[in-house]
Amino acid sequence: EAAVTQSPRNKVAVTGGKVTLSCNQTNNHNNMYWYRQDTGHGLRLIHYSYGAGSTEKGDIPDGYKASRPSQENFSLILELATPSQTSVYFCASGVGGHEQYFGPGTRLTVL
Amino acid sequence: TQTVSQSDAHVTVFEGDSVELRCNYSYGGSIYLSWYIQHHGRGLQFLLKYYSGNPVVQGVNGFEAEFSKSDSSFHLRKASVHWSDSAVYFCAVSPSSSFSKLVFGQGTSLPVVP
Repeated sequence: EAAVTQSPRNKVAVTGGKVTLSCNQTNNHNNMYWYRQDTGHGLRLIHYSYGAGSTEKGDIPDGYKASRPSQENFSLILELATPSQTSVYFCASGVGGHEQYFGPGTRLTVL
Repeated sequence: TQTVSQSDAHVTVFEGDSVELRCNYSYGGSIYLSWYIQHHGRGLQFLLKYYSGNPVVQGVNGFEAEFSKSDSSFHLRKASVHWSDSAVYFCAVSPSSSFSKLVFGQGTSLPVVP
């Protein structure tokens, strides 16, 4: 069954540490997205990609990098994690932006 | 600037009731409108979308939504809710180009009382 999976599902990191969140999709979609979800802010787009080798800045890219090494995989990288990056992160894939399929989320806590 | 407004942060209904969740938008140009559902602790799931044609679109599990250009609205409805419909519902807008992004509303929480 086509799906979007994320790892890890939960992560505790220390301030200043490096965090990598991984996403894999078997939908064969070209587009992939990283969002964060915070109470009071809804979902906000961090980075997205049109295909392997491409990454684009979303609405809140500061403090985050992204990597799309293949059609299936899209990673979000926090080089120097800060407590303000404590959030739930969702990955999604889609053929176009208007119909997206989401992973289960990663809960990140930065202490 | 594209914005999406969900005026009700929280709507409580009883099982078997009908429900309407409101979504209003502002945009320039052609757009897609869509609804997503998020059960507690889960990722968002696509429900339905509208671009053109019949303004009433059907989704999964008995949900439907109606587009109104004059009201700039895309309200979601269900005739008879089940306790399993308890979730947060998000309205979203995106331009009709392929390389597009979604702009989400703030979400409406819908607890269904058994």
